[in-house]
Amino acid sequence: DGGITQSPKYLFRKEGQNVTLSCEQNLNHDAMYWYRQDPGQGLRLIYYSQIVNDFQKGDIAEGYSVSREKKESFPLTVTSAQKNPTAFYLCASSPQRSYEQYFGPGTRLTVT
Amino acid sequence: QKEVEQNSGPLSVPEGAIASLNCTYSDRGSQSFFWYRQYSGKSPELIMFIYSNGDKEDGRFTAQLNKASQYVSLLIRDSQPSDSATYLCAVVGAGGFKTIFGAGTRLFVKA
Repeated sequence: DGGITQSPKYLFRKEGQNVTLSCEQNLNHDAMYWYRQDPGQGLRLIYYSQIVNDFQKGDIAEGYSVSREKKESFPLTVTSAQKNPTAFYLCASSPQRSYEQYFGPGTRLTVT
Repeated sequence: QKEVEQNSGPLSVPEGAIASLNCTYSDRGSQSFFWYRQYSGKSPELIMFIYSNGDKEDGRFTAQLNKASQYVSLLIRDSQPSDSATYLCAVVGAGGFKTIFGAGTRLFVKA
């Protein structure tokens, strides 16, 4: 079964802790993306990566970090510097030369 | 700041009717346009894309694009209760790669 997996589905953390969200795809897609979704709002781009070992900041990268060491994996770390980390985090991927995006199931992060 | 605007709704239509969802965008150089459906608590799924002016049909769905008016719409014919969801309009600008999403329109189809 080809697809994008994100884990965990729900994540709870205390303020001040860093947390890493997993995103894996076996679709052989080149581009991968991280978005954040808050209630009643559209998706906001955090980071994206077009190829392995390369990534670019999106519109709201402050307080987040990523790595792209393998084509299949694009983990996102939410650091303690992120002021309002509680949100629904979505990972997506796109095939080469396409802007169609295919989303994973998402991770709901709650920081208290 | 490039923007994508959608009426938040909710848009309520009876079962069997046509639902019309609208979207405007600010970047005149935008080239690629997408509609995603998002059920409550779930992630978005791609349902339509359109690149050229005019209409594109896929089953009960028709996407319409008017680049001169910077307007893209989604028509859902014979609406079903299972179509009840939030529909996100997404636009890729002239520079490529960065997709701007609208906040979405909530659709309710009444049985």
